[in-house]
Amino acid sequence: EAGVAQSPRYKIIEKRQSVAFWCNPISGHATLYWYQQILGQGPKLLIQFQNNGVVDDSQLPKDRFSAERLKGVDSTLKIQPAKLEDSAVYLCASSLRQGDTEAFFGQGTRLTVV
Amino acid sequence: DAKTTQPTSMDCAEGRAANLPCNHSTISGNEYVYWYRQIHSQGPQYIIHGLKNNETNEMASLIITEDRKSSTLILPHATLRDTAVYYCIVRINQAGTALIFGKGTTLSVSS
Repeated sequence: EAGVAQSPRYKIIEKRQSVAFWCNPISGHATLYWYQQILGQGPKLLIQFQNNGVVDDSQLPKDRFSAERLKGVDSTLKIQPAKLEDSAVYLCASSLRQGDTEAFFGQGTRLTVV
Repeated sequence: DAKTTQPTSMDCAEGRAANLPCNHSTISGNEYVYWYRQIHSQGPQYIIHGLKNNETNEMASLIITEDRKSSTLILPHATLRDTAVYYCIVRINQAGTALIFGKGTTLSVSS
């Protein structure tokens, strides 16, 4: 079974530029999460989708971050414009259904904003 | 979700049992205890979860105290590949609830 795929693995941009990350969850998984992990900290939930609907985006900085999950499969997370403090690893995870016991994580995209 | 308290770091010799403690004194009756780990440069990986009974799988054992205020994850024979950050999370199994991570325990296994 293929895991959660994310791309790119690494990205370096200048502040005020925009960037997008892509996630392909495990086939058939209805729930998709985006997390932000700053160095030395645990992952922080940004947004949770159930199919193509948003369940929780309370921690998403909506002035600069946006996410979509068209057709309830792949998802993209965008930052526009980026700030230095956005430097982090962005993790995508999926689970079969909401409240499922196990979530599967991708390897993440490491973003460096200079 | 209830908060958890874990030691910042622990060391373990290869081949010995690693016992990772977690305090969750404000856990609610319908909240489960989950453990995930994150190996360097990888995403977190599910290990085990339980409600009130002790649990064991191929990776680890989970011991939950009778009052459910604390738990211990046991890796029976630690290897170098078990070096990782281990996260203890409490969560209800309900639609809409995501995993909320703390800082976890960095376990270093040495030969």
